[in-house]
Amino acid sequence: NAGVTQTPKFRILKIGQSMTLQCTQDMNHNYMYWYRQDPGMGLKLIYYSVGAGITDKGEVPNGYNVSRSTTEDFPLRLELAAPSQTSVYFCAGGTGVSTGELFFGEGSRLTVL
Amino acid sequence: GDSVTQMEGPVTLSEEAFLTINCTYTATGYPSLFWYVQYPGEGLQLLLKATKADDKGSNKGFEATYRKETTSFHLEKGSVQVSDSAVYFCALSDRGGGNKLTFGTGTQLKVEL
Repeated sequence: NAGVTQTPKFRILKIGQSMTLQCTQDMNHNYMYWYRQDPGMGLKLIYYSVGAGITDKGEVPNGYNVSRSTTEDFPLRLELAAPSQTSVYFCAGGTGVSTGELFFGEGSRLTVL
Repeated sequence: GDSVTQMEGPVTLSEEAFLTINCTYTATGYPSLFWYVQYPGEGLQLLLKATKADDKGSNKGFEATYRKETTSFHLEKGSVQVSDSAVYFCALSDRGGGNKLTFGTGTQLKVEL
C-alpha cells in the first residue's frame, strides 16, 4: 500500500539550478499539499490543490511553482534555487474535510549550496 | 491569523515517566485540533484528534482534551516507552475548508532506559 510517494529523498543543488520534486498518491485524494519543514519552525504550507487543474498558494509560495494535471500527481518546481530553500519538503494528501487526516510522504531533503 | 504554540524541546524522560507536552492555539471560530508524530526518517502521521470542545482524542496510550476555555490541547501519556521517542506536532485546521493545517514548531521527545 504505497500511499503518498515522494522522490527524490535527497538532493543537493547549486544556487540558480532548477529541479522538480515529485509527489504521487494512490489514495484517490482530491486535496494535495506541499509543506516545508525548517528546524524549530514547524511546517509551513507552500501550495495546495483541491483537484486536478486547480492549485492555490499557501503561506510561503515565493520561489516555487506547482501543477496538478492528474489526481495522482502534484509536482513542486523550484526554478532558481536559493540557499533559503534548503529544507525538508513534505507532500501530503487528504479529503479536504477540516476534521480529516492528512497522509504524508516520507519527505525530500534539499540542500542548496 | 491562526497560530499554534508548543512547549520547546527537547524533552528527555526516563522510561515509564509521565509525559505532558503543552499546546495552545489562537484561531477564529472553532478549529479541529490534531497531534501528529514524526519518527526519525519518516513523514508525519496522525496520532490523535479532537473536533469540538471537550472532546478527548486518544491513541496508543496518548490523550489530549480540547479545552476551548483555555484554548489548549495538551498531549499526555501516563508511561512513556523508548519507542515513543519522536517529534510531536500540534496542529489546527480551521473550518474555512481545505483542511490546510497550521502547525506548531514541534517538540522532540527522547525516552531513555
